[in-house]
Amino acid sequence: GDSVTQMEGPVTLSEEAFLTINCTYTATGYPSLFWYVQYPGEGLQLLLKATKADDKGSNKGFEATYRKETTSFHLEKGSVQVSDSAVYFCALIADTGRRALTFGSGTRLQVQP
Amino acid sequence: IAGITQAPTSQILAAGRRMTLRCTQDMRHNAMYWYRQDLGLGLRLIHYSNTAGTTGKGEVPDGYSVSRANTDDFPLTLASAVPSQTSVYFCASRQTSTDTQYFGPGTRLTVL
Repeated sequence: GDSVTQMEGPVTLSEEAFLTINCTYTATGYPSLFWYVQYPGEGLQLLLKATKADDKGSNKGFEATYRKETTSFHLEKGSVQVSDSAVYFCALIADTGRRALTFGSGTRLQVQP
Repeated sequence: IAGITQAPTSQILAAGRRMTLRCTQDMRHNAMYWYRQDLGLGLRLIHYSNTAGTTGKGEVPDGYSVSRANTDDFPLTLASAVPSQTSVYFCASRQTSTDTQYFGPGTRLTVL
């Protein structure tokens, strides 16, 4: 079945550090790929997405590129802020009728001033 | 403000009791979903509905039921709660044109 694997957390960084959160996937067909973010006490919000190979999703300084050859969708940000502290989820929608999200386990990011 | 509302925000429930979690959206999305979030497991799909009047099972449907009488409402019912159903429950709806899912704030349920 479809699955998403992302790096274990927590990830602790100093403000202005470079961030990478690794994400790889297994899916049939050509899935759409997503990063969702969950701030403390809130629901999930879409951060960015990519729907085909070599697409780059970007938002709020975050970027991720859909790499079909390595089945990866790593999240990066050049300079993190304290306000980026949250849990980040990599997810996919496979080419099935229900179009439900399959999530990774989440990576908690803690940014220190 | 457009979005998804869930109720209650949190609930402590005795094992064996029946409980309905409510979910309402005002975006007129056809598809809706229920997920549960457990530490270290991410979110897992319980049930879904592609349109009013239809429902389907997700990865972890046992012990849960749903109904979809209209476009806006998608309640989740636990017929006889068990401690393993202690979790945070999220309702979501999907915008068809973008495949983007919008999530509610969640219901934290504790079954004792």
